[in-house]
Amino acid sequence: DAMVIQNPRYQVTQFGKPVTLSCSQTLNHNVMYWYQQKSSQAPKLLFHYYDKDFNNEADTPDNFQSRRPNTSFCFLDIRSPGLGDAAMYLCATSRRDSTSNQPQHFGDGTRLSIL
Amino acid sequence: GEDVEQSLFLSVREGDSSVINCTYTDSSSTYLYWYKQEPGAGLQLLTYIFSNMDMKQDQRLTVLLNKKDKHLSLRIADTQTGDSAIYFCAEIPLRRGKLIFGQGTELSVKP
Repeated sequence: DAMVIQNPRYQVTQFGKPVTLSCSQTLNHNVMYWYQQKSSQAPKLLFHYYDKDFNNEADTPDNFQSRRPNTSFCFLDIRSPGLGDAAMYLCATSRRDSTSNQPQHFGDGTRLSIL
Repeated sequence: GEDVEQSLFLSVREGDSSVINCTYTDSSSTYLYWYKQEPGAGLQLLTYIFSNMDMKQDQRLTVLLNKKDKHLSLRIADTQTGDSAIYFCAEIPLRRGKLIFGQGTELSVKP
C-alpha cells in the first residue's frame, strides 16, 4: 500500500544525457516536493508544486526542471547531468490549505548515478 | 548557528533506551517532526508533536518538547537492531515555509 511511489529505484545515466525521474502518489495531496540528498547530508529542497503553482528554490540550478501534469504525478528532469548531480532524489507530498500544512510523506527515492 | 542541530552519532545496546536530542532556533513552527531513514531508503515520518504540547507518547516512542529551551527529544524504549537508522529532526518555520532538517543522528544498536 505504498502511497508515494518513485520510479525507478536506481537510475544510471551518462554525463550530459537528459534523465527523468518520476513520482506518483495515491494520497490526493495537493503539494508535491522534490529533494536532493547527498551522502551523509539532510535532504535539500529543489522545488515544489502547490496545486499547479511551481515554486523554485533560489539556489536550485537551472539544469533541474519539473513537471506536474496532474495531481498524482510529478517529474524531475535533469537536462544535462553532471558528476555532481549523483545523489538520492526524494519525492514528498503533503496536504496544505489556508489553515494548516500537514506533514510531508516521502517516497523511497531514486538513486541516480552518473557515468 | 544552524536552524536545527543534532548530534551526529549515538550508539546503544539492544534493549536499552535511546534518546536523540535536537535544538532549534525558530519557535514559529506549528509542528516539529521526527523522520527515520534506513540505509538506501526514503524518509519515514516517525512521529510529530504539536508545538503547544510538551509530550507525546506512541508505543515505544516518546517525544518531549521544551519550548522555553527550544529543545526536542525522541526517546526509543527497548531499542532493537531494527531501529538502527538515521533520525532527522525537522520543523517548518512560518517565515521559511519549508521543512528545515537537522543534520541527522545516526543510531547504531549493538546486540
